[in-house]
Amino acid sequence: GDSVTQMEGPVTLSEEAFLTINCTYTATGYPSLFWYVQYPGEGLQLLLKATKADDKGSNKGFEATYRKETTSFHLEKGSVQVSDSAVYFCALLTAGGSYIPTFGRGTSLIVHP
Amino acid sequence: DGGITQSPKYLFRKEGQNVTLSCEQNLNHDAMYWYRQDPGQGLRLIYYSQIVNDFQKGDIAEGYSVSREKKESFPLTVTSAQKNPTAFYLCASSTLGGGANEQFFGPGTRLTVL
Repeated sequence: GDSVTQMEGPVTLSEEAFLTINCTYTATGYPSLFWYVQYPGEGLQLLLKATKADDKGSNKGFEATYRKETTSFHLEKGSVQVSDSAVYFCALLTAGGSYIPTFGRGTSLIVHP
Repeated sequence: DGGITQSPKYLFRKEGQNVTLSCEQNLNHDAMYWYRQDPGQGLRLIYYSQIVNDFQKGDIAEGYSVSREKKESFPLTVTSAQKNPTAFYLCASSTLGGGANEQFFGPGTRLTVL
């Protein structure tokens, strides 16, 4: 079956540091890939997505590139802010399936001033 | 504004009581989902529905029930049979078809059993 593996958290950084959160996946079909963000006490919201190999999703300074050869979709940001502190979830959705996404366990990011 | 609303935001329940969590969407989405989130855990799917008057069990349906009488509404009942119901509950919706269907989430309901 499909699965998503994210790096364990928490990831703790100082403001303006470079962020990478690793995400790798296994999928039976050709998936679309997503990053969602959850701020404390809130629901998830879509951060970015990519639907085919070599696509780069980007939003709010975050980027992730769909790497089919390494089955990865790592999230990066060049300079994090305190307001980026949240939990980040990687997810995949396989076309033609049940429309149930597979989520990773989430990675908590804590950014200190 | 289109979106998903969940109510209440906080809910307290005594052991042995059933409680119902509300979820409403005005996005005209066909599919709706309920997830449970425990501290430090990912999301676990409870139930989902892709059409009115039909729904399917997810990975942890025991002790929960749902209904889908209207396209925009998907309430979740946490029954007394659910052994450990204290958790954060998230409702989501999505379109169907196309293959890159993102999910839209509500703000969540935090349920605490006293």
